[in-house]
Amino acid sequence: EVYLLQSGGGSVQTGESLRLSCVASGFNFGSFAGAWVRHIPGKGLEWVATISGSGGSTYYAPSMEGRLTVSRDKSKNTLYLEMSSLRAEDTAIYFCAKSTYNLWNGYYESWLDPWGQGAQVTVSS
Amino acid sequence: QSVLTQPPSVSGAPGQRVSISCSGDSYNIGSHTVAWYQLLPGTGPKLLMYSYNQRSFGVPDRFSGSKSGTLASLAISGLQSEDEATYYCAAWDDNLGAVRFGGGTKLTVL
Repeated sequence: EVYLLQSGGGSVQTGESLRLSCVASGFNFGSFAGAWVRHIPGKGLEWVATISGSGGSTYYAPSMEGRLTVSRDKSKNTLYLEMSSLRAEDTAIYFCAKSTYNLWNGYYESWLDPWGQGAQVTVSS
Repeated sequence: QSVLTQPPSVSGAPGQRVSISCSGDSYNIGSHTVAWYQLLPGTGPKLLMYSYNQRSFGVPDRFSGSKSGTLASLAISGLQSEDEATYYCAAWDDNLGAVRFGGGTKLTVL
């Protein structure tokens, strides 16, 4: 069975940091790009970050750029998202997902599959 | 604010057909394929449709997608109670340089 299992998350104070993990099972995650997407109730889904299959390229949402680091450990088949200087507006459920790069056209496809189960991140002052 | 515009809510009775629209522009839907996701409370989004209206594995043929210009649609026929969820469209956006999601549409099965 192919799935992603997330860990991390929790409640932190404004300005603190947090690291999320995402372990893949049933497939070699290192052969694919990975993405992080967050869900803010009432505001929908928002792309947060993407890392290429090689790990050599990373991309971040403008709203969080400078406060995020996405990385991967191929030996552990795991994706990470480190968030710093967290703000109240970063409160959301964060999901990881397998992403597909369209080599022909040079962009990442809109279909993300599978997804992790999500990790709640709550930031309070 | 989403560049991909979806109606906030739609509803239908069991057995009926509903359609959810997703309006974009030439930088996203007009130039790239669209994916549709179903989000249920407590779970990660489930991929329903992708590429040129392909159904993801295990998705019943009651679900179908279409696209014309900068407008995409998801149709659900033979509505069932388990279809009650929030649905999101998504497309690569050349301006954002990433995948952009619609604002989501909550489907209520009456």
